[in-house]
Amino acid sequence: NAGVTQTPKFRVLKTGQSMTLLCAQDMNHEYMYWYRQDPGMGLRLIHYSVGEGTTAKGEVPDGYNVSRLKKQNFLLGLESAAPSQTSVYFCASSWGTSGLFDEQFFGPGTRLTVL
Amino acid sequence: AQSVTQLGSHVSVSEGALVLLRCNYSSSVPPYLFWYVQYPNQGLQLLLKYTTGATLVKGINGFEAEFKKSETSFHLTKPSAHMSDAAEYFCAVSVSLQGAQKLVFGQGTRLTINP
Repeated sequence: NAGVTQTPKFRVLKTGQSMTLLCAQDMNHEYMYWYRQDPGMGLRLIHYSVGEGTTAKGEVPDGYNVSRLKKQNFLLGLESAAPSQTSVYFCASSWGTSGLFDEQFFGPGTRLTVL
Repeated sequence: AQSVTQLGSHVSVSEGALVLLRCNYSSSVPPYLFWYVQYPNQGLQLLLKYTTGATLVKGINGFEAEFKKSETSFHLTKPSAHMSDAAEYFCAVSVSLQGAQKLVFGQGTRLTINP
């Protein structure tokens, strides 16, 4: 099993450009999450999904959109990139059956720089 | 609101020495606490978690953590550090989020092991 994979690993954008980050999991997990990691701030939740066709806002959703058309994929979009979105983005997934006990499985991350 | 504070953004120990990484939480309800480890250029991996029951929790790679309600702490320890323990460590509390689980992370502690 590949677990959680993310594409691309690195990307450099100019201000105003758009892009989509792809997250895929092969563990048949119900829940999926997008986080951003910034120095000294830990990880913060951007958006999440509790099942195919559902999405919801997390802690820092502004400037991002998401879609979950297939259970195994969770896409994160930036419509008009800003320098403040320079960060490392992590996708995670979990079974969703253990409530607050759930272990989240993380992908390797995407390092995004917006110039 | 539930939150986590990690004391010390950088900790340096000698190989073979005790590792102690500090985590304090703020929660109005019984907390569910996690420690994750992030090795260089990788995603986060679960070390251990506290849900209910035994307050001393054993994890992978010889790490353990003790839940102390009176001190609102969940410090991570390892008796003897190994070079391979060099990584960033995150403490997190699990919060209910509209049917899903949100992990609220601390700022992270970077552990360096000196030969």
